[in-house]
Amino acid sequence: DADVTQTPRNRITKTGKRIMLECSQTKGHDRMYWYRQDPGLGLRLIYYSFDVKDINKGEISDGYSVSRQAQAKFSLSLESAIPNQTALYFCATSVRRNNEQFFGPGTRLTVL
Amino acid sequence: GENVEQHPSTLSVQEGDSAVIKCTYSDSASNYFPWYKQELGKGPQLIIDIRSNVGEKKDQRIAVTLNKTAKHFSLHITETQPEDSAVYFCAAKNSGTSYGKLTFGQGTILTVHP
Repeated sequence: DADVTQTPRNRITKTGKRIMLECSQTKGHDRMYWYRQDPGLGLRLIYYSFDVKDINKGEISDGYSVSRQAQAKFSLSLESAIPNQTALYFCATSVRRNNEQFFGPGTRLTVL
Repeated sequence: GENVEQHPSTLSVQEGDSAVIKCTYSDSASNYFPWYKQELGKGPQLIIDIRSNVGEKKDQRIAVTLNKTAKHFSLHITETQPEDSAVYFCAAKNSGTSYGKLTFGQGTILTVHP
């Protein structure tokens, strides 16, 4: 069973639509992260959360918002999707006092 | 903030050859340097890491070296096999940031030809 799951795995949408990507984990980790991956740009941090009531912006948060509904769930929203948000999105988790991150399988988002 | 540069962006080797991927970082306060491997259709997974108080670390066919003075670190894979084909990411963590907050490099696509 996957420890970090992401839904959906693939999504095609149109410009201006609101999109939500969901991440769930069964690892019991308190820290969760959202990244986007683009060719040649690596993994860039969008938002991160160290606890249920803690939300922090990463390096590319503009155009995105997040919600930490419970320790095990962390959702990423695109309020009004635009084509340059087409990318592969990853959720990751880690535990306090440990730097290793555990990644989900990714969501491929295409904005037309 | 921290900036991590990774080279090359693509690397092609023959099975059995060695592969080396290099990263440089900008913040001298960085003290933790992991390497992640991303196989096709999957998320990245940690394969090896090194802390700033160590110059080299090995795990079977993979090794990482760190030069703090020059602010660069490298991943070495010996006796490459086709299953080593993947995207590899280096990362760095600043000693002043919280556990788990990493800055990643741009990635290297490694292809090992049988």
